[in-house]
Amino acid sequence: RKEVEQDPGPFNVPEGATVAFNCTYSNSASQSFFWYRQDCRKEPKLLMSVYSSGNEDGRFTAQLNRASQYISLLIRDSKLSDSATYLCVVINQAGTALIFGKGTTLSVSS
Amino acid sequence: DADVTQTPRNRITKTGKRIMLECSQTKGHDRMYWYRQDPGLGLRLIYYSFDVKDINKGEISDGYSVSRQAQAKFSLSLESAIPNQTALYFCATSDPLSQGPQHFGDGTRLSIL
Repeated sequence: RKEVEQDPGPFNVPEGATVAFNCTYSNSASQSFFWYRQDCRKEPKLLMSVYSSGNEDGRFTAQLNRASQYISLLIRDSKLSDSATYLCVVINQAGTALIFGKGTTLSVSS
Repeated sequence: DADVTQTPRNRITKTGKRIMLECSQTKGHDRMYWYRQDPGLGLRLIYYSFDVKDINKGEISDGYSVSRQAQAKFSLSLESAIPNQTALYFCATSDPLSQGPQHFGDGTRLSIL
């Protein structure tokens, strides 16, 4: 099993749609979880941290399921500007293992 | 000004050449990282440093070396570049107190001919 796995997509959705991405991780000792957004050939930018209790930031909701070792990102009311690649990142407690998923590509069309 | 600055932004060079990529940061973070990104392979960690003079190998350190002479600077060297080192390289920093996340530079696009 790969350390961090994401469905590469692409996910093609119309504006206004709700879309969800999942990410699974193999190391149960992982402590910190993040979603990053990366536009084509640009640097990854932090979208949001993922907390055990789940967290929401506007149209974005992140969930963590430690028992099943997966993380999810829900985007509501998709905008054209949401088109990007979304990277799942898992970090161990010591910060010595930083594993990026390969990313899920989202394309929002009008 | 960017918090994490990489130089050069683009570089084309020939096989066998020595290349140095520079990274500097104004965030005051102790931790710095070098990644490469290849299509279909995602971001892979090359080296990381948690303090001045602290150097740790990442997933793919072969063919690379790094130097951390100051808190704000972390340089990556390719001693003898080869074509399969053609990639997009990113430097990143993080604050250990926040357990991540990482802040990335704009990237260096490196092509080895």
